[in-house]
Amino acid sequence: GEDVEQSLFLSVREGDSSVINCTYTDSSSTYLYWYKQEPGAGLQLLTYIFSNMDMKQDQRLTVLLNKKDKHLSLRIADTQTGDSAIYFCAESTDYKLSFGAGTTVTVRA
Amino acid sequence: SAVISQKPSRDICQRGTSLTIQCQVDSQVTMMFWYRQQPGQSLTLIATANQGSEATYESGFVIDKFPISRPNLTFSTLTVSNMSPEDSSIYLCSVGLGTGRETQYFGPGTRLLVL
Repeated sequence: GEDVEQSLFLSVREGDSSVINCTYTDSSSTYLYWYKQEPGAGLQLLTYIFSNMDMKQDQRLTVLLNKKDKHLSLRIADTQTGDSAIYFCAESTDYKLSFGAGTTVTVRA
Repeated sequence: SAVISQKPSRDICQRGTSLTIQCQVDSQVTMMFWYRQQPGQSLTLIATANQGSEATYESGFVIDKFPISRPNLTFSTLTVSNMSPEDSSIYLCSVGLGTGRETQYFGPGTRLLVL
């Protein structure tokens, strides 16, 4: 499959903004996604962006896509303790998802 | 979105046995998928469950090991056959929704431990 890479860990103070970065290699990706997985839980779809867009905002979440550099980021504003989880970046080609390894976000008081 | 349920939610099995995992969706969907998440790892696509025809498997996965059924547009099963400890994983089904089926929602997963 195609490669999707993310940093493994992020520690952020409560109330600050979190930025999670992701790079991918498949230039034919049609959609890019961010999923959240809390301990012992399934995957929650947070947001997704079509490949011809460069930004999408949804409440505290902002997704930025640089298609030229194949770089995707997720910004979480005013990070809360409930945001502590693993965040997976994924790209879609022909409806099949390829996932990154996941970024573990720890929110400290 | 869709409400997706899986049964069982978790199981502990002996090596050499088989386990069938069920995935039920509350609406008719064209696209259903099965993924595996090995301990501490990311998700890997096992196969696309096609209604009325054989599943389409990804590289590294074969029908004899992971037979899949898709009898209708709301239900699918994945069987993990002749299990070994290396099959210990979370198995998740997902469905594609939206105009272009671009949004994929996941079931809660089945946590399997093989002893």
